[in-house]
Amino acid sequence: EVLLMESGGGLVKPGGSLRLSCAASGFSFSGYNMNWVRQAPGKGLEWVSSISGSGDYIYYADSVKGRFTISRDNAKNSLYLQMNSLRAEDTAVYYCARRDDYNNRGVDYWGQGTLVTVSS
Amino acid sequence: DIQMTQSPSTLSASVGDRVTITCRASQSINIWLAWYQQKPGKAPRLLIYKASSLESGVPSRFSGSGSGTEFTLTISSLQPDDFATYYCQQYDSFPYSFGQGTKLEIK
Repeated sequence: EVLLMESGGGLVKPGGSLRLSCAASGFSFSGYNMNWVRQAPGKGLEWVSSISGSGDYIYYADSVKGRFTISRDNAKNSLYLQMNSLRAEDTAVYYCARRDDYNNRGVDYWGQGTLVTVSS
Repeated sequence: DIQMTQSPSTLSASVGDRVTITCRASQSINIWLAWYQQKPGKAPRLLIYKASSLESGVPSRFSGSGSGTEFTLTISSLQPDDFATYYCQQYDSFPYSFGQGTKLEIK
């Protein structure tokens, strides 16, 4: 069974930093592109960042470019999102999600999400 | 960047109704479109991928169609469990983008 479990969310002041983690299990982690997607309270879904299985290819939404860094540790089956210079508009539930490139199913499995609140 | 425009934003319907949600891409995305269902407090659930392929375990009353820039999600006979918010997403190119969502409400 594919499982994705995020952690690291919490309350942080504007300008602060936070590091999210996602523990993956039930599949060959290094073979999959992984993503972060967020959802502000009462709003729609927003793709944040993506990293290839090897970590060689990384993409960011313009809204987080230069402030957020995605990374992965395939030995630990873990995905990370380092968030710096946080703003109120970064407040959201952050989901870790897998992309299935083998069957071109797009983003197929999602974690339960972790809430990040940026407020003074 | 590819913009995804979903309509309607809200849809009121009754159990047993047939409903259709539309998603338009600002440029061609071939068939690289997915549909998700989301319920309050829960993660999105994949329903349809490659525009028209039904995800395993998803009831056959859900179907998707389209290619290029125009796509639809159809629920043939609404069930009580289907009242939720639905999103389309393109995965043709980065940055991935979602439609703004369609909230399906009970009439």
